[in-house]
Amino acid sequence: EIVLTQSPATLSLSPGERATLSCRASQSVSSYLAWYQQKPGQAPRLLIYDASNRATGIPARFSGSGSGTDFTLTISSLEPEDFAVYYCQQRSNWPPSWTFGQGTKVEIK
Amino acid sequence: EVQLVESGGGLVQPGGSLRLSCAASGFTFSSYWMSWVRQAPGKGLEWVANIKQDGSEKYYVDSVKGRFTISRDNAKNSLYLQMNSLRAEDTAVYYCARYPYPVGDAFDIWGQGTMVTVSS
Repeated sequence: EIVLTQSPATLSLSPGERATLSCRASQSVSSYLAWYQQKPGQAPRLLIYDASNRATGIPARFSGSGSGTDFTLTISSLEPEDFAVYYCQQRSNWPPSWTFGQGTKVEIK
Repeated sequence: EVQLVESGGGLVQPGGSLRLSCAASGFTFSSYWMSWVRQAPGKGLEWVANIKQDGSEKYYVDSVKGRFTISRDNAKNSLYLQMNSLRAEDTAVYYCARYPYPVGDAFDIWGQGTMVTVSS
């Protein structure tokens, strides 16, 4: 089973700052890596799929990079609405399974 | 508008059963894999099950195998999750999600979720 480890657990930043979130896989997941944003009381929202592709309607300040075992989600300049929990997620080929990281909370400093 | 709406959650005793439903609208339901993802209170996300467009392939997380069954009715644009032998650790918000594989390997549309509480 592939385990995804996100770091840091909490990121304290101010609006306008750059946020860099990490997701590390226990073995290679190629580029099958997605990122989601979740705000309290809401469903998750897809931000990035296949490691670096922005989902429909996602602002350009969100970007994803990486391949293999190390991935990064970057928010170039934090807006007030970006303070939330972020999850990475991968798909294993066989047996087919999908797992999420434990999440990184981006909070206002 | 593309939309997923879950229903069927509630309070159930340990060992009991519950059937969740998800009504899809705004897209061609029969063209997509569909999924269930859950989130225990205060915890992270956990994938539960996936089903192929025609129902011919189904996959489950190990912790629910033999207890949960995912199914769909393409004529009714609906997804289901039959949950039997429920345990306290199944308590969670259950989300229905669209999985547009192979065009984008991620869950791109989510419902608002339905709460399942397993307690005596």
